[in-house]
Amino acid sequence: DARVTQTPRDKVTEMGQEVTMRCQPILGHNTVFWYRQTMMQGLELLAYFRNRAPLDDSGMPKDRFSAEMPDATLATLKIQPSEPRDSAVYFCASGLEAAYNEQFFGPGTRLTVL
Amino acid sequence: GDSVTQMEGPVTLSEEAFLTINCTYTATGYPSLFWYVQYPGEGLQLLLKATKADDKGSNKGFEATYRKETTSFHLEKGSVQVSDSAVYFCALSGNAGNMLTFGGGTRLMVKP
Repeated sequence: DARVTQTPRDKVTEMGQEVTMRCQPILGHNTVFWYRQTMMQGLELLAYFRNRAPLDDSGMPKDRFSAEMPDATLATLKIQPSEPRDSAVYFCASGLEAAYNEQFFGPGTRLTVL
Repeated sequence: GDSVTQMEGPVTLSEEAFLTINCTYTATGYPSLFWYVQYPGEGLQLLLKATKADDKGSNKGFEATYRKETTSFHLEKGSVQVSDSAVYFCALSGNAGNMLTFGGGTRLMVKP
């Protein structure tokens, strides 16, 4: 049963610390997405990769956030330095590129910045 | 640009009641349409989809019909259960591969 996995599932950190979230997309998928979900803003797209190349990161605060795909089995989202307003659930999703194909979501990383 | 509008929640129903969650969209071309469901503490999962006009997607008793003339994709279920309590997201995928545009989500609460 192929699934998207994310680590850690929960992260509590202090303001100013670096946070790295990891995602393993489903084997064979060529698109990867990072989302942030909060009560106030709902679901926001942060970054989009196709064949490991970043295509759209317009939703991501550039000064502190960065997203990479070092290889096809790993996507990372890094926040440095973290701030309390970054507290949210961060989801990774993967899929096969085509308009009729769905995205498969991971279980999310719940980040709390104190 | 593309956009999806869905009814605000929460929607509170008694068990076995009929459910409708409205969804309308704006898009160029011929998007694919999706409903995702998010159970508490979990990620989103695909509930159903439709890829062309007049298609009906169905799964677990839920249905939605792709209506191009009204640009709508309303979600329906004839008899809801407590286990259907979740947040439901309508989404579309346009010309940009499988990138999705999501609606704001509708929380459904079903009471015994």
